[in-house]
Amino acid sequence: QVQLVESGGGVVQSGRSLRLSCATSGFTFSSYAMHWVRQGPGKGLEWVAVKWYDGSEEYFGDSVRGRFTISRDNSKNTLYLQMNNLRAEDTAVYYCARDGSFYNMNIDHWGQGTLVIVSS
Amino acid sequence: QLVLTQSPSASASLGASVKLTCTLSSGHSSNAIAWHQQQPEKGPRYLMKLNSDGSHNKGDGIPDRFSGSSSGAERYLTISSLQSEDEADYYCQTWGTGIQVFGGGTKLTVL
Repeated sequence: QVQLVESGGGVVQSGRSLRLSCATSGFTFSSYAMHWVRQGPGKGLEWVAVKWYDGSEEYFGDSVRGRFTISRDNSKNTLYLQMNNLRAEDTAVYYCARDGSFYNMNIDHWGQGTLVIVSS
Repeated sequence: QLVLTQSPSASASLGASVKLTCTLSSGHSSNAIAWHQQQPEKGPRYLMKLNSDGSHNKGDGIPDRFSGSSSGAERYLTISSLQSEDEADYYCQTWGTGIQVFGGGTKLTVL
């Protein structure tokens, strides 16, 4: 079955960097686009970024564009999120999610999330 | 601008049915959406992809009690024979070129 396991979360000071990883299994990773979605404390879901199946395209939400980068290693079945210049408002649970297609459509599987706390 | 609108809350009795609504912004009434469920203290779970014609494809293991339908810019999630574990937040999601959008979510209380 499809499994998505996030790691790398923790407490980090404002202005610093953090890298999240998402290890996947149970499907052909290189055939699907992958997303990061976050959820601030007591808030709804906010889309962060998507990376196409082959890494050729990537898109970002307005609140993170220019600070976050998304990458993938299809040989390791792993998705990454590099978060730079972190702010207090980036505090959230970060979910890795699989797209139902190779480019950008509906999310059809979710990980359990990793918590990032940005302290001032 | 692509926006999804959901009522913040809904409630229904155990064993009854409830219909949740997600409304697409003007000019996007033909968009497909997806519904996701988030039980308390858990990660989201994909329920289904719902097309503008009302056809839908459910995720693995989603019970028949969950169904979707469409009318114009409205997308619906109907849950029948409500159970206590259906008490959760429900989010709709849609997409465009280089963008993903989530609705604000509906908190469903099972009475």
